[in-house]
Amino acid sequence: DAGVIQSPRHEVTEMGQEVTLRCKPISGHDYLFWYRQTMMRGLELLIYFNNNVPIDDSGMPEDRFSAKMPNASFSTLKIQPSEPRDSAVYFCASSFLAGGPSSTDTQYFGPGTRLTVL
Amino acid sequence: QKEVEQNSGPLSVPEGAIASLNCTYSDRGSQSFFWYRQYSGKSPELIMFIYSNGDKEDGRFTAQLNKASQYVSLLIRDSQPSDSATYLCAVNRGDFNKFYFGSGTKLNVKP
Repeated sequence: DAGVIQSPRHEVTEMGQEVTLRCKPISGHDYLFWYRQTMMRGLELLIYFNNNVPIDDSGMPEDRFSAKMPNASFSTLKIQPSEPRDSAVYFCASSFLAGGPSSTDTQYFGPGTRLTVL
Repeated sequence: QKEVEQNSGPLSVPEGAIASLNCTYSDRGSQSFFWYRQYSGKSPELIMFIYSNGDKEDGRFTAQLNKASQYVSLLIRDSQPSDSATYLCAVNRGDFNKFYFGSGTKLNVKP
C-alpha cells in the first residue's frame, strides 16, 4: 500500500484566501484523523471520522475550519478565510480498530501539508 | 493536568549509550500505548506499541509499561546519531481509537 497520501505538500497563501487540504487514507482503514502541529502547541487533534462519519470535532479551532469525508478514500480539511495564525503542518492519519488493544489500532501518518498564510 | 506528559528535553546522550525516554498518563483505563519517532520536517512514524504490563523488546528498542504507576518508557540501547529525533508518546484510552499525544522529547545522540 502507498500509505496515507496528502496533497498539497506545501501551500503558501495570503490571508483571507480559502485553503483546502486533501487526504487519502490507507485502504481498509475505517478511522481518519486530522492533526495540526506547531512548535508552540505540539500535535493537536482537530477532528476524526469513523466510517466517514465525524465522531469528534472538538479540536477544530473555530468555524473557519471544516472537514468532510464524502467516502472511505477521501477527506478534505478546509480553512475559509485563512489567517496567519493557521500556519502549521497539517497531518492526516488513518487506522483500523480491531476491537481490542492491538497493533492494528496504530495510527499511520501521511507526510503532512506545510501551510504558510502570509 | 495533561492527558500525557513528557519531558521536552533535549536529552543528550553519547553514541553507544542507553537513552531512556519517559511518559506518564492520567487515565487509568488507558488500553494501549505507542511510541512514535519524528525527524525534523517529517511525519511521526511508529517505533513500538505495548499494551501489557512489563517489557517488550524489538531490536535496540525496549518499551516498558507500568499501569499501576501510569507510566510508559522507551529505552534505546547502543544509541546512534541517526536516533536523534523527537519521540512522541501516544495513549489510546479506548474511546473510538482516539490517541492522546505527549508534547514529545527531543533526543540528541552525540558522536
